[in-house]
Amino acid sequence: DQQVKQNSPSLSVQEGRISILNCDYTNSMFDYFLWYKKYPAEGPTFLISISSIKDKNEDGRFTVFLNKSAKHLSLHIVPSQPGDSAVYFCAASAMVQGGSEKLVFGKGTKLTVNP
Amino acid sequence: NAGVTQTPKFRVLKTGQSMTLLCAQDMNHEYMYWYRQDPGMGLRLIHYSVGEGTTAKGEVPDGYNVSRLKKQNFLLGLESAAPSQTSVYFCASSYDATGGQPQHFGDGTRLSIL
Repeated sequence: DQQVKQNSPSLSVQEGRISILNCDYTNSMFDYFLWYKKYPAEGPTFLISISSIKDKNEDGRFTVFLNKSAKHLSLHIVPSQPGDSAVYFCAASAMVQGGSEKLVFGKGTKLTVNP
Repeated sequence: NAGVTQTPKFRVLKTGQSMTLLCAQDMNHEYMYWYRQDPGMGLRLIHYSVGEGTTAKGEVPDGYNVSRLKKQNFLLGLESAAPSQTSVYFCASSYDATGGQPQHFGDGTRLSIL
């Protein structure tokens, strides 16, 4: 079963407008949520994260919102730029044996920002 | 500062052949991970290591072995490659594995099994 779901495989927006990428999860034990950005032929790079005890975290043009009751989070990019065109992965952090955490990834959403 | 380096970047194997993928990090991170990414799928954890000399199974460990003999290196081995192992493999490392510490990824190894 897929614990982290990104139901939109792709999203297209105009430069300067807002991009909203959504993510749903099923496991209420997740304690952190992270967003990664991935360009073709490169590895994912960390973008922004949020603790499960918060409902918002902001870093420049990027804001992540968490709605725990709905088990839903979203990444807002304002304003969107052509360089933001990439695949965005939502990931959730879960505890494993030994006290460490592992990441569970969604399938990703491909964002295209049109000039 | 190289970060996480994966070797090789591309490889084509025949079914039944063996090979080792090398991951090296220069950030003195304790934790290292191997993932695979298949088309239309997210990254799935194969094996991970919480420190030199330790390894543990992830979500999809079958058909793979790993070793962490040195802190900076994490090796992923395929003893007898199968077409189902055709994928892009990513290595990652992190300073810690609590508190939502981000993982730093290499650029991947694209592996094709014929």
